[in-house]
Amino acid sequence: AQSVTQLDSHVSVSEGTPVLLRCNYSSSYSPSLFWYVQHPNKGLQLLLKYTSAATLVKGINGFEAEFKKSETSFHLTKPSAHMSDAAEYFCVVNPGYSSASKIIFGSGTRLSIRP
Amino acid sequence: DADVTQTPRNRITKTGKRIMLECSQTKGHDRMYWYRQDPGLGLRLIYYSFDVKDINKGEISDGYSVSRQAQAKFSLSLESAIPNQTALYFCATSEGGGRAGADTQYFGPGTRLTVL
Repeated sequence: AQSVTQLDSHVSVSEGTPVLLRCNYSSSYSPSLFWYVQHPNKGLQLLLKYTSAATLVKGINGFEAEFKKSETSFHLTKPSAHMSDAAEYFCVVNPGYSSASKIIFGSGTRLSIRP
Repeated sequence: DADVTQTPRNRITKTGKRIMLECSQTKGHDRMYWYRQDPGLGLRLIYYSFDVKDINKGEISDGYSVSRQAQAKFSLSLESAIPNQTALYFCATSEGGGRAGADTQYFGPGTRLTVL
């Protein structure tokens, strides 16, 4: 069975400090993994995705994530948080079936930035 | 102009009413999706369509139906709305092709539906 777990429902960091949002997945196949961001009252926007190429994936706005198969993790990081990073972040796994019905969203992590 | 638009943006209705949510896209994508978002649950897939003649049920299709009127339009209907269908609804599109499951989804701004 496929699943995705975001380990923290809420993360709060100070502006200028590193950000770490954790995601673990379970998949019987070689999955594609995504991070999406949702700003208040907005739709979701792709931050980055892993599709079996380089394990370290760079995204927009200075975010990156590393696919670690041995740990079944795909944690999202950013070296220095900015106030505009405050949003909800979703980790998404697609196990590679042709059917879209297997897309699974994590429950989300709300990122707060302290001045 | 936004690539994926949803109408209405907000809707309040009563139990038992029929409701239609509409989605239009100008991205030229073949694939379209409907999701609902509930607090603490992430997004769950209701229906998806890989082309005009292809409609598929997602994880939570009971109580919903869809219509793909054209490549650019994908509507979601609640035949008889009930309070637990109160949620934020998102339409999304993707281009398809390439490695299965690897295509990026592009989301509309959402429709907030309240069923009293």
